[in-house]
Amino acid sequence: QKEVEQDPGPLSVPEGAIVSLNCTYSNSAFQYFMWYRQYSRKGPELLMYTYSSGNKEDGRFTAQVDKSSKYISLFIRDSQPSDSATYLCAMSNSGAGSYQLTFGKGTKLSVIP
Amino acid sequence: EAQVTQNPRYLITVTGKKLTVTCSQNMNHEYMSWYRQDPGLGLRQIYYSMNVEVTDKGDVPEGYKVSRKEKRNFPLILESPSPNQTSLYFCASSFGGGNQPQHFGDGTRLSIL
Repeated sequence: QKEVEQDPGPLSVPEGAIVSLNCTYSNSAFQYFMWYRQYSRKGPELLMYTYSSGNKEDGRFTAQVDKSSKYISLFIRDSQPSDSATYLCAMSNSGAGSYQLTFGKGTKLSVIP
Repeated sequence: EAQVTQNPRYLITVTGKKLTVTCSQNMNHEYMSWYRQDPGLGLRQIYYSMNVEVTDKGDVPEGYKVSRKEKRNFPLILESPSPNQTSLYFCASSFGGGNQPQHFGDGTRLSIL
């Protein structure tokens, strides 16, 4: 079983739709959860950063972490064509594992005008 | 402007010809890391460095070397490149470790013939 599973898509939605992106993981030691956005021909950029369980909201973006289910989500409200990108979830530990970051394979999202 | 700079951005070379991909950051980050990104496999960590003269292997270190002689620079060395090292490479940096928000470069596309 892969440590982090993420549906690669592609996912295509109409402008204005609510988008739900998800990752599951197997390592119960993960405590830091991140979402990165990657545009074509660019490096990933941090979108959301959360520690442990709970929700975090930033504008149109909401990140949720459910450690009991080993499941994280990213919601995008009122999606825009500029949101078209690949979204990567990433996770890390504290302590001895804190120097490594494990990524999902990424979900390619297209928002159609 | 805070940034991670990789050079070259594109390189086509032949099997066995030693090459170095440079990475430099201007944010005084202690932690730096190299990843490769391949279709269907996602981002995988090659090596990371917690500080000057301190490096460790990531998930796919075979065929690569790194050094960290200065805080700002973290070059990736391929002593004898092979076609299976054809990939898109990213350098990243952060304060602390992998569990902190990473700043990525824009990538180096490497083709080994």
